[in-house]
Amino acid sequence: DIQMTQSPASLSASLGETVTIECLASEDIYSNLAWYQQKPGKSPQLLIYYANSLNDGVPSRFSGSGSGTQYSLKINSLQSEDVSIYFCQQNYDSPYTFGAGTKLELK
Amino acid sequence: QVKLQQSGAELVKPGASVKLSCKTSGYTFSTSYMSWFKQIPGQSIEWIGMIYAGDGGTGYNQKFKGKATLTVDTSSSTAYMDLSSLTTEDSAVYFCARLDTMGPKANWFAYWGQGTLVTVSS
Repeated sequence: DIQMTQSPASLSASLGETVTIECLASEDIYSNLAWYQQKPGKSPQLLIYYANSLNDGVPSRFSGSGSGTQYSLKINSLQSEDVSIYFCQQNYDSPYTFGAGTKLELK
Repeated sequence: QVKLQQSGAELVKPGASVKLSCKTSGYTFSTSYMSWFKQIPGQSIEWIGMIYAGDGGTGYNQKFKGKATLTVDTSSSTAYMDLSSLTTEDSAVYFCARLDTMGPKANWFAYWGQGTLVTVSS
C-alpha cells in the first residue's frame, strides 16, 4: 500500500497568516492527490484534486502544489472558518490511502 | 443536486452484523461508482471498497475483505454495506462517497454522505 505521511500533525496560526501543510507519498503518485477539509461531525469536503485543481466553490486562498512524492496545501490569509482538519489522499493505486490529518487551529 | 443520505446510527452487539444504507438522488445511480470509508473518531480515513452500480462489480481493500460486503439496489438508487462479525474495532463512522467519472474531477470523491456511526458494544 502507498503510505501518505502528512505534516505537521497540528498547526496553530493567526488570522490572516499563510499556512502550509505537507504530504509525502511513499512512492511516485504522479499528481494523483487530493486534499480534503473535515469539520467536527461532518463528512470530508474535497478542496483540491489532481494536486492543484481547485474544487468548485472552494475559496481561491486555498491552493495545492507538488509532484512526484511531495505535495503541499497552502492557505493564504487564514480565516476563522478554515479551522478544521485537513487530509491528503492518493488515488494512484488501490487501496486509496489517506494521510493522518493536520489539525489547524487559531492562535 | 447530488445527495447521499445515509442511514442512522447503529448500536450492535459483538459478533452481530449490520447493514448500512446510502440512498442517492440527483444523478444516474445505475452507471455510477460508490465507495465506502471508515473513520474512527479522531483518526484518519480508510478506504473500504468500491462498487459499480451498473453490474454490482466490486473491489475491496484487502484489509476489509471478509468484513465488508457492498451491494446496490438500482431500483431505489441505494448502496449498501454489510459489516459482519463485528468487534469493538469496528466501532467507527462509515461514509459513502460517489466517485466522479466524468469531467475534470473524474476519479475523485466530490460527494459524500453524512456518515453513520456504528457502535459495537455488549
